[in-house]
Amino acid sequence: GQNIDQPTEMTATEGAIVQINCTYQTSGFNGLFWYQQHAGEAPTFLSYNVLDGLEEKGRFSSFLSRSKGYSYLLLKELQMKDSASYLCAGKDSNYQLIWGAGTKLIIKP
Amino acid sequence: GAVVSQHPSWVICKSGTSVKIECRSLDFQATTMFWYRQFPKQSLMLMATSNEGSKATYEQGVEKDKFLINHASLTLSTLTVTSAHPEDSSFYICSAPTGDWSPLHFGNGTRLTVT
Repeated sequence: GQNIDQPTEMTATEGAIVQINCTYQTSGFNGLFWYQQHAGEAPTFLSYNVLDGLEEKGRFSSFLSRSKGYSYLLLKELQMKDSASYLCAGKDSNYQLIWGAGTKLIIKP
Repeated sequence: GAVVSQHPSWVICKSGTSVKIECRSLDFQATTMFWYRQFPKQSLMLMATSNEGSKATYEQGVEKDKFLINHASLTLSTLTVTSAHPEDSSFYICSAPTGDWSPLHFGNGTRLTVT
């Protein structure tokens, strides 16, 4: 079956770095996406990996290892506004997104 | 960038009535749109895939006669919750891709409360 696993909740300190891991099992693979979702709002796109390696976008970076079925989202210089849920989603051979349950990130001052 | 507009943002209705939610792609054509539902503190659950000019594809467990989907044009899909009940209260979000390799673009969501 298809499955996306990520931690339910993480806590980090303002100004620090946090890494949110995601493992995936999909029927075929056409990319791994990360979205940010603040409470009561729709998800917003953060990053997309289709090849192995690190993609950097400002304070946010995302890494992919296709051989390990593994990705992580790295958030640097954490700010209070980064408190949100982070959703990992894999795209299968039919280009359908398989969603993880999301990781709630709590930032403490 | 690609923009998806969803309306209304929130709606309160009485049990037994129907509610229509609209999802529009503003600057691109969407032959496919996705409708999600999200209950508090839970992840996104795909309800159905809306296909322009043809019937929607519903996920297992989603009642197609209760959640009517119409994708009448390349820029508009509607979801109608018929005979709404309090358990239908949820956050409904539409989304559309601009291509197989592109991210999904989400509408702002509709908070439905059925009293």
